[in-house]
Amino acid sequence: GENVEQHPSTLSVQEGDSAVIKCTYSDSASNYFPWYKQELGKRPQLIIDIRSNVGEKKDQRIAVTLNKTAKHFSLHITETQPEDSAVYFCAVNSGGYGNNRLAFGKGNQVVVIP
Amino acid sequence: DTGVSQDPRHKITKRGQNVTFRCDPISEHNRLYWYRQTLGQGPEFLTYFQNEAQLEKSRLLSDRFSAERPKGSFSTLEIQRTEQGDSAMYLCASSFGEDTQYFGPGTRLTVL
Repeated sequence: GENVEQHPSTLSVQEGDSAVIKCTYSDSASNYFPWYKQELGKRPQLIIDIRSNVGEKKDQRIAVTLNKTAKHFSLHITETQPEDSAVYFCAVNSGGYGNNRLAFGKGNQVVVIP
Repeated sequence: DTGVSQDPRHKITKRGQNVTFRCDPISEHNRLYWYRQTLGQGPEFLTYFQNEAQLEKSRLLSDRFSAERPKGSFSTLEIQRTEQGDSAMYLCASSFGEDTQYFGPGTRLTVL
């Protein structure tokens, strides 16, 4: 099955600094790459996603970059704030074209230090 | 609230009992997914529906698990003869086609 890995597992940053989380995957047929944020005891919430026909997407302080050749994509958070502290999961679709089954990584714990 | 809802939010049961969970997707969404999440892990795919058709089921899913979506709206997930290893958060998500999957709050199952 699809293998999705996230690095680093835990990331601590000073408030105002940037955070970068990298995700690698194995299925070359994957074409959809979302990032979800999950706060303790709450549901996963989509923060940004990208499809394989673009290399970068930005939404205010959040950006995602995709390198399909190398099979990795990264989440960039700029000007981090305490409310950015959470677990971030990357995911990729698997099962072929038109299939939106998601395979998730194990998550990155991001801690923003005030 | 027009988001995905799940019921119950918490379920405690004894080993060997059957449990059933319900998911109500966002109304115009034709796809509905079930995932399971254990502590320190990402959600793990279980099964998904397009309208009332169950299109895929994880190979990891035991025969004790069954899911239905009889009218293409809400879905139920039943676990028969529960085991302690079934303890987890069961998450439901819905989407319109291949668009974004929106998750529900989950049902936390504890098997004693």
